[in-house]
Amino acid sequence: DQQVKQNSPSLSVQEGRISILNCDYTNSMFDYFLWYKKYPAEGPTFLISISSIKDKNEDGRFTVFLNKSAKHLSLHIVPSQPGDSAVYFCAASEETSGSRLTFGEGTQLTVNP
Amino acid sequence: DAGVTQSPTHLIKTRGQQVTLRCSPKSGHDTVSWYQQALGQGPQFIFQYYEEEERQRGNFPDRFSGHQFPNYSSELNVNALLLGDSALYLCASSLIGTDTQYFGPGTRLTVL
Repeated sequence: DQQVKQNSPSLSVQEGRISILNCDYTNSMFDYFLWYKKYPAEGPTFLISISSIKDKNEDGRFTVFLNKSAKHLSLHIVPSQPGDSAVYFCAASEETSGSRLTFGEGTQLTVNP
Repeated sequence: DAGVTQSPTHLIKTRGQQVTLRCSPKSGHDTVSWYQQALGQGPQFIFQYYEEEERQRGNFPDRFSGHQFPNYSSELNVNALLLGDSALYLCASSLIGTDTQYFGPGTRLTVL
């Protein structure tokens, strides 16, 4: 039972353009969502998060959008840079206070110079 | 500000053996969670410790056990290792009452 799904295993984008990574979830109890970036041989690095009471959160080049009715969120990176090339994981939790995270399978983003 | 640290970096064991992995949380954090990441998949939640007690547990057998010490550091123990236990084991720390978990670099376990 995959409660968090990232349907695109890979995405390739030109430097300077927008990268859009998508994530769908099935558990309506999820109320907090996070994006992590992972380089090979490193642990996931926290990027940005959003609470279910919001529909958008921005941090520099990164923006996360949440559509609760569609149970869908997306991460926008503008402009994309070669250093953004990594695996991006979407994660969700049912409650705040550092509760267990449920992860998607990840999307490999490649930003070409 | 020290981040989450894990040891060892890599480990090779044979089937049936036991293994202990260690984690030190980020400074100021009091909650430690463990995840297993198989190749090509997202991390899967094993369990979470707070105040030296197991607070939550994922769908993992009793062969997986843990401990949290008074200084908030934690250990993950796996008994009777199977080939399928080969994975990257990630430790994440957080402060109770906050929402974001921060991950260590992981321990790569190979079971032969």
